[in-house]
Amino acid sequence: DIQMTQSPSSLSASVGDRVTITCRASQGITNSLAWYQQKPGKAPNLLLYAAAKLESGVPPRFSGSGSGTDYTLTISSLQPEDFATYYCQQYFNIPPTFGQGTKLEIK
Amino acid sequence: QVQLQESGPGLVKPSETLSLTCSVSGGSISPDYWSWIRQPPGKGLEWIGSIYYSGITNYNPSLKSRVTISVDTSKNQFSLKLRSVTTTDTAVYYCVRGTGAFDPWGQGILVTVSS
Repeated sequence: DIQMTQSPSSLSASVGDRVTITCRASQGITNSLAWYQQKPGKAPNLLLYAAAKLESGVPPRFSGSGSGTDYTLTISSLQPEDFATYYCQQYFNIPPTFGQGTKLEIK
Repeated sequence: QVQLQESGPGLVKPSETLSLTCSVSGGSISPDYWSWIRQPPGKGLEWIGSIYYSGITNYNPSLKSRVTISVDTSKNQFSLKLRSVTTTDTAVYYCVRGTGAFDPWGQGILVTVSS
């Protein structure tokens, strides 16, 4: 299985901050990467796919980049509704696997 | 737009079989892939397996010996059976569309394994 490692595991930030979350795969995944946002008690919500493509309806303050084994999710200006847990997921190989999550908290 | 809804028992005894159904509304179950994903309380996400509308399946090797996923296109539903459950199978179970980027997701159903 491809191991996905996110960093940091938790992050404190303020409204208006720019934040970046990193995801590293144990082998190259050729941009077969998705990012999800999950709020407490809710199902995850797809934000980006193919590493950098924004899902319909997702605000443009979310962006993704990367290649090979290293990928990033950036939120350009944090809004109150962005405080949540974020997961990356590779779909290059079966089984698809997820990072352990990054909890974004209000400073 | 497509919506998914999980249904089934919220409590299963150890060694028994967990059975869940996902009902798809707002669109046809074909021609698409559909998956089950689970999340133990306070933990991360684990893909269980997927099925194509034609019935072709893929399973997570870690669960393959205990899992069966099936589809009923006439009812626009797909189902999960997980045999010989233990307390470590306690989780929120989600049905989702896709095998790559997963979207949309059902709301999830908490299944507790306990005697």
